[in-house]
Amino acid sequence: EDQVTQSPEALRLQEGESSSLNCSYTVSGLRGLFWYRQDPGKGPEFLFTLYSAGEEKEKERLKATLTKKESFLHITAPKPEDSATYLCAVLAGGGADGLTFGKGTHLIIQP
Amino acid sequence: GAGVSQSPRYKVAKRGQDVALRCDPISGHVSLFWYQQALGQGPEFLTYFQNEAQLDKSGLPSDRFFAERPEGSVSTLKIQRTQQEDSAVYLCASSLAGTGANVLTFGAGSRLTVL
Repeated sequence: EDQVTQSPEALRLQEGESSSLNCSYTVSGLRGLFWYRQDPGKGPEFLFTLYSAGEEKEKERLKATLTKKESFLHITAPKPEDSATYLCAVLAGGGADGLTFGKGTHLIIQP
Repeated sequence: GAGVSQSPRYKVAKRGQDVALRCDPISGHVSLFWYQQALGQGPEFLTYFQNEAQLDKSGLPSDRFFAERPEGSVSTLKIQRTQQEDSAVYLCASSLAGTGANVLTFGAGSRLTVL
């Protein structure tokens, strides 16, 4: 069974304090690992897709990396507007159509 | 439209009532997905359409759940004889191409509360 575990469940940082969120996964044949951001009362918003170990992608203050067992979302010098829940998801091989999501990391950036 | 539109945004149902949730995807998007998100949890896959064909319904929790997309655009998720455990946010997502590996655009969701 495909599994995605995110840690920590919640993280409170001061503005400018860099940190990393972890996503550990177990999947039969990874076709893609996805990071989404979700604000309260809204649907998830796409951030990144990673396909193979060693791949990295960046967008503004966010950088996602991938190994064979886990992915990290690095947040550099965060701002209060980066506060949100960050969701990690995997798409398995074998013809699966739906993403398997983790529970998310609730990130709060204090000014 | 510019995004994925879902209605109603909020629905309160008494246990045993039937409900219908509507999703209007981005125009031209081939793939449409339904997910269920319980409070404090990540979304869980329910079902997948490619145009009007329902290719995967493995995530539907019981035969009380039914989804359709008759003309390959608007989709409806119907829940019969609602139970308290059906309380959740139901998210619809669409993507341009026909595989699950593509970027999904999610709607804001329909929050269902079953009393």
